[in-house]
Amino acid sequence: GIQVEQSPPDLILQEGANSTLRCNFSDSVNNLQWFHQNPWGQLINLFYIPSGTKQNGRLSATTVATERYSLLYISSSQTTDSGVYFCAVVPGSGNTGKLIFGQGTTLQVKP
Amino acid sequence: EPEVTQTPSHQVTQMGQEVILRCVPISNHLYFYWYRQILGQKVEFLVSFYNNEISEKSEIFDDQFSVERPDGSNFTLKIRSTKLEDSAMYFCASRRLRGANEQFFGPGTRLTVL
Repeated sequence: GIQVEQSPPDLILQEGANSTLRCNFSDSVNNLQWFHQNPWGQLINLFYIPSGTKQNGRLSATTVATERYSLLYISSSQTTDSGVYFCAVVPGSGNTGKLIFGQGTTLQVKP
Repeated sequence: EPEVTQTPSHQVTQMGQEVILRCVPISNHLYFYWYRQILGQKVEFLVSFYNNEISEKSEIFDDQFSVERPDGSNFTLKIRSTKLEDSAMYFCASRRLRGANEQFFGPGTRLTVL
């Protein structure tokens, strides 16, 4: 099946710093989503981005489907950005829409 | 804004007991999913459900698990005889149409099996 790899696994930043999280996938995809898992365990939708670039405030994401990767940019990080960031894809060969998740990047933003 | 809801938020049960986790998907959505996340690990697909039947299930989704849409709004996951290793966060998700579109997740139910 498709493999989804995220890097780095862990990231520690000072408040105000910028960061880039990467998601590589091993096969074609129909859908790609980025999530933030908050300290209460909830999965918060950040972006639905099967291709192209989107921005939402301090966050932006770019997916280059032909090269099988996606990037999540966090600018001017805040302590509330801390948590786990997951990339998840729907394989191109599947038709049920199930999401395959990466292992996540754990971000800690220090004040 | 419509959202997926789940109850209870936390369930504690004894090994061997049956549990039912409940979800109310977004009202005009047609595809429904359950996922599981063991503490500290990634989120794993369990089962997808469309048109009142299972459309795909993972190896995790064995005979101890079942899903049901008993009425027009609820979507349930039943574990017949819980094991210690069933302790996890269970997420319900839904999406609107066939094809590539966004999936929305509920807040999760944390299941603890003692």
